[in-house]
Amino acid sequence: DAMVIQNPRYQVTQFGKPVTLSCSQTLNHNVMYWYQQKSSQAPKLLFHYYDKDFNNEADTPDNFQSRRPNTSFCFLDIRSPGLGDAAMYLCATSREGPGYEQYFGPGTRLTVT
Amino acid sequence: KNEVEQSPQNLTAQEGEFITINCSYSVGISALHWLQQHPGGGIVSLFMLSSGKKKHGRLIATINIQEKHSSLHITASHPRDSAVYICAVNAGGTSYGKLTFGQGTILTVHP
Repeated sequence: DAMVIQNPRYQVTQFGKPVTLSCSQTLNHNVMYWYQQKSSQAPKLLFHYYDKDFNNEADTPDNFQSRRPNTSFCFLDIRSPGLGDAAMYLCATSREGPGYEQYFGPGTRLTVT
Repeated sequence: KNEVEQSPQNLTAQEGEFITINCSYSVGISALHWLQQHPGGGIVSLFMLSSGKKKHGRLIATINIQEKHSSLHITASHPRDSAVYICAVNAGGTSYGKLTFGQGTILTVHP
């Protein structure tokens, strides 16, 4: 059974056209994360939610926003995508605290034309 | 210098060989994770360790907290093991599970 689901798997958007990526989980985990991974690089944490408490990484651009309407769903909004935002976007979940595994979704590959 | 360093960066092996990937870290941690990522794919958690050794099938992970070092071993390697293997740590003091990642090891196993 799928535990962390991301939609769509592939997304093409135009330069400057807002785009929303979706993540849902069936694990009932408190914490949800959004990572950006560019080619041949390690994932970079953009932000995370602890329940409804939103936590932004200091170097995450303002162009990236997120919403978590309930425990199961989390959205990543890119307000004005640039060519440099083309990447794989990974959603992950975990229980509260550092001693728990993170469960990753399959990712959404974003292309900006 | 990165807080999490992996070696080697690239590793090529023949099917059946024993493989070791190393990870060293410079910060205090509460847990260390080994992750696997196939080309174009999502990430799968292989192990989470805070001490000692864990085994799952042909995979073995060990950690030495005093030496701040962990190893991932693959016995009887197979072409389907070809992937990027990533070491990541939960740095001590965080109240949630933020991971600090190594740069990854690209493993290619030839038949």
